[in-house]
Amino acid sequence: SQTIHQWPATLVQPVGSPLSLECTVEGTSNPNLYWYRQAAGRGLQLLFYSVGIGQISSEVPQNLSASRPQDRQFILSSKKLLLSDSGFYLCAWGQHSPLHFGNGTRLTVT
Amino acid sequence: AQSVAQPEDQVNVAEGNPLTVKCTYSVSGNPYLFWYVQYPNRGLQFLLKYITGDNLVKGSYGFEAEFNKSQTSFHLKKPSALVSDSALYFCAVRADQTGANNLFFGTGTRLTVIP
Repeated sequence: SQTIHQWPATLVQPVGSPLSLECTVEGTSNPNLYWYRQAAGRGLQLLFYSVGIGQISSEVPQNLSASRPQDRQFILSSKKLLLSDSGFYLCAWGQHSPLHFGNGTRLTVT
Repeated sequence: AQSVAQPEDQVNVAEGNPLTVKCTYSVSGNPYLFWYVQYPNRGLQFLLKYITGDNLVKGSYGFEAEFNKSQTSFHLKKPSALVSDSALYFCAVRADQTGANNLFFGTGTRLTVIP
């Protein structure tokens, strides 16, 4: 069966520091991968998606970037965090409907 | 453009009573519709989906949803609510011609089941 792992579960980082969140999927190949951000415990915003290695599509302009160095690995990064980057970040995979989500990373920028 | 509206931020229901969480959508083409549930500090769990076929879709934990094309709605229902159903519920949509399987989510409805 397929599983998705996200880490860390929580992270507190100072403003201006770098960020790297990792997501890996097991039990499938060539999945579509997604990064969502959930602000204030409510709506989800699609940040990036990838349909293959090295292929990244950005949905909104922002201080973040994404990379897919391996088929089942998706990384969310920032060179310098802003206070507004705080939120709950969710990775998801899906070959076809529906999407399957990881348990999320709660990022607090101080 | 695709969008989803969940008109109620909060729904309260007594344990044992039926519950409804509302969702309306806007999409070009045929919609793929989904309901997810989120417990505190966790990811989203898939409940059910409508792709095609019977308008009444049955999902996990006794939940069901009814697709209504004329009203562009996909309301989530359960005949008898449990306290453990208390959580944040999200409706989502994608257009069938969207190759990347991108989902667009509503803002969520917090369901509280009162013992």
